[in-house]
Amino acid sequence: SYVLTQSPSVSVAPGKTATITCGGDNLGHYSVHWYQQKPGQAPVVVIDHDNNRPAGIPERFSGSNSGDTATLTINRVEVGDEADYYCQVWESGSDRLWVFGGGTKLTVL
Amino acid sequence: QLQLQESGPRLVKPSETLSLTCTVSGVSITSSTYHWAWIRQSPGKGLEWVGSLHRGETTYYSPSLRSRVAMSAVTSKKQFSLRLSSVTAADTAVYYCARSYGGLLDSWGQGVLVTVSS
Repeated sequence: SYVLTQSPSVSVAPGKTATITCGGDNLGHYSVHWYQQKPGQAPVVVIDHDNNRPAGIPERFSGSNSGDTATLTINRVEVGDEADYYCQVWESGSDRLWVFGGGTKLTVL
Repeated sequence: QLQLQESGPRLVKPSETLSLTCTVSGVSITSSTYHWAWIRQSPGKGLEWVGSLHRGETTYYSPSLRSRVAMSAVTSKKQFSLRLSSVTAADTAVYYCARSYGGLLDSWGQGVLVTVSS
């Protein structure tokens, strides 16, 4: 089945830009969703359908998807952005599958 | 307003069957617009999709769990359920129920930790 690959960890200083990537074969053909999960909490959507930011998500969060790589970018990183981030796609064929990446731990130094 | 709430035993013995129920408020679980999903997360690990239910009857399961998983619904109660058989310690996890809109898991329950231990 389809595999999504994420780097285990990313570190960034406050105020800088964090880039979290998600890799998959022809990933650009899928809609990629990004979730933020803080300790002890359920995941929350921060970007859906490659680059749509849900209501209530700061404009500092943006997404892109092309080729084999999707990217979540967080500008002007804040301490409160420290969390695990997961990418996810949906295989919508006759045998539907929801696939997650392994997750990236964002540490704000 | 949509809410999802997981319920069920927190402790299950090895080789027995894990059973959880998700109660949904605010929307019908028979709508063709949505799937209703179970996702789990082992301690310190990532998210793993377990299975999904559509229109209260069509099921889709993770290939790695397909032989042990069953999902069903009681539509009149707006509940859908997960059964995972022959559990081992590897099935210890926080289990979340969630709504999927076009593949996007847009609403999640708070999750429930299920421990497999004798």
